[in-house]
Amino acid sequence: GENVEQHPSTLSVQEGDSAVIKCTYSDSASNYFPWYKQELGKGPQLIIDIRSNVGEKKDQRIAVTLNKTAKHFSLHITETQPEDSAVYFCAASIAMVIAAGNKLTFGGGTRVLVKP
Amino acid sequence: DGGITQSPKYLFRKEGQNVTLSCEQNLNHDAMYWYRQDPGQGLRLIYYSQIVNDFQKGDIAEGYSVSREKKESFPLTVTSAQKNPTAFYLCASSIWDSSQETQYFGPGTRLLVL
Repeated sequence: GENVEQHPSTLSVQEGDSAVIKCTYSDSASNYFPWYKQELGKGPQLIIDIRSNVGEKKDQRIAVTLNKTAKHFSLHITETQPEDSAVYFCAASIAMVIAAGNKLTFGGGTRVLVKP
Repeated sequence: DGGITQSPKYLFRKEGQNVTLSCEQNLNHDAMYWYRQDPGQGLRLIYYSQIVNDFQKGDIAEGYSVSREKKESFPLTVTSAQKNPTAFYLCASSIWDSSQETQYFGPGTRLLVL
């Protein structure tokens, strides 16, 4: 089955600097790659996703890049703010069925701390 | 208030006791999922359901059971066979729309064993 590895496990950055989190996946058939942000004691929130027919996607200070040849994708946060402090998870999925119910495989998470 | 609701927020289980975690969604999503999250770790899939009256085992189904009698509800029972049930349990739901699927999470239930 699919295996997703995420690095680093912890990341400390100064406010205003950029943060980069990298994930690699094992199954070349994976075609959907979401990123979730989880604050302490809460459920994960989808912040951005990318599909295999796109190489890069941006949403304000957040961007995701995908390299299908190398089987890795990355989350980039620019101009970090204290409210960006959280745990971030990457995930990968193969759309086996043309309907809801495709499984996500998650990375182990990255704890990001933005220091004021 | 729309979305995915999980109750209770905290749940205590005694040894040998079965407990049921509730998950309800009013988003009209077809699929629902249960994940387990241990401290400092990622999410592991317990069970998932693509449609009403149907569900499949995930990666760590042993010691758990589910039902999907209604589209909006997907309760998870943690049985006494689950020897290490202390964890944060997350319910999610998803919809297929415009040739893509997006999954959303509830707020979670923290289960503690006394």
